[in-house]
Amino acid sequence: GQNIDQPTEMTATEGAIVQINCTYQTSGFNGLFWYQQHAGEAPTFLSYNVLDGLEEKGRFSSFLSRSKGYSYLLLKELQMKDSASYLCAVDNTNAGKSTFGDGTTLTVKP
Amino acid sequence: DADVTQTPRNRITKTGKRIMLECSQTKGHDRMYWYRQDPGLGLRLIYYSFDVKDINKGEISDGYSVSRQAQAKFSLSLESAIPNQTALYFCATSDFGQGNTGELFFGEGSRLTVL
Repeated sequence: GQNIDQPTEMTATEGAIVQINCTYQTSGFNGLFWYQQHAGEAPTFLSYNVLDGLEEKGRFSSFLSRSKGYSYLLLKELQMKDSASYLCAVDNTNAGKSTFGDGTTLTVKP
Repeated sequence: DADVTQTPRNRITKTGKRIMLECSQTKGHDRMYWYRQDPGLGLRLIYYSFDVKDINKGEISDGYSVSRQAQAKFSLSLESAIPNQTALYFCATSDFGQGNTGELFFGEGSRLTVL
């Protein structure tokens, strides 16, 4: 089976940096996605990692270590609008079928 | 207009009723998915379709059925709704397999309440 773990909740201060971790145990691996979901809205794509290392996209970066089954999403210069849930998802089938973690709810405080 | 459109956006129904949630997309993607989200939880896959002739069960397909009427349309049915099917349902599309990452593009969601 698939097991994807993320912290349930995190709190950080506006302007700070926060790291959201995701660990996974899956029967296969074909890439890891991060999505952002604001309350009551649809998830939107943030990042994709398939090789080890860091992918940077503006204020957001995502890191992957396949040997450790570990990824993190790094958010810099936090803004109030970054308050949302962040979903880690693994494509373990090489078939474009992702399994999601339960998500991490991030609250950014002034 | 949204690229992935779900109807209805909100529905309240009673136990035992048949419900259909519809999804249409203008992205031209072959792959379409139905996910369910419960409060505080991630997305769980109900059914997915890689083309019009290909329908596959996801991890929680019991109590649900689907129909892929065309490349652009994928509907989800609850033949006899029960209260524990109260949830937020998302349709999604993907262009996986065309040299792309396979990221999911989601509709705005359909909130279903079964009384």
